[in-house]
Amino acid sequence: EPEVTQTPSHQVTQMGQEVILRCVPISNHLYFYWYRQILGQKVEFLVSFYNNEISEKSEIFDDQFSVERPDGSNFTLKIRSTKLEDSAMYFCASTVQVGRELFFGEGSRLTVL
Amino acid sequence: AQSVTQLDSQVPVFEEAPVELRCNYSSSVSVYLFWYVQYPNQGLQLLLKYLSGSTLVKGINGFEAEFNKSQTSFHLRKPSVHISDTAEYFCAVTAFGNEKLTFGTGTRLTIIP
Repeated sequence: EPEVTQTPSHQVTQMGQEVILRCVPISNHLYFYWYRQILGQKVEFLVSFYNNEISEKSEIFDDQFSVERPDGSNFTLKIRSTKLEDSAMYFCASTVQVGRELFFGEGSRLTVL
Repeated sequence: AQSVTQLDSQVPVFEEAPVELRCNYSSSVSVYLFWYVQYPNQGLQLLLKYLSGSTLVKGINGFEAEFNKSQTSFHLRKPSVHISDTAEYFCAVTAFGNEKLTFGTGTRLTIIP
């Protein structure tokens, strides 16, 4: 069964460092998302991406964040200068059509020290 | 905008007993509704979804949910739980044509042997 894969599963970084989280969405999906879940809190929407551009972003997704689809398979989330409060589990998701089921990856846990 | 309320943050249930996890939503437009499950140290997995049609939807692992438009609810039920059902359960909503999936705060289901 096709699945969304994410790497790394866990990354520890120092405050102020740049981090790139990688995702390989399901191959025939067209819409891509990043969500995050701070420990003990709910899953929050960060950004959606379609046709090689951001289609919607939340207020969390400030200038420190960027997304990119550098080739036909990968979808990346970059945090330019990490802060302590960026520590969270980051989930990538994809779907074939807006409003339909989102398929989530297993997440990348980011710990900022 | 849509919102989701899961009033029960934790629900302890004896093994083989029935369970209901409550979810209420708010939206000014028609919605799609989902229940996701997160097992310890894993990603989000879709349990079931309501897109249209029959208001009683059946999902994986013996779970079902009923969409009640007048009460704006989408409660999740299982007639007999197992130890393996121990997990965090998230209700989520999106509006027709909307990009963003809005999650509730989650309900931690603990099964007591």
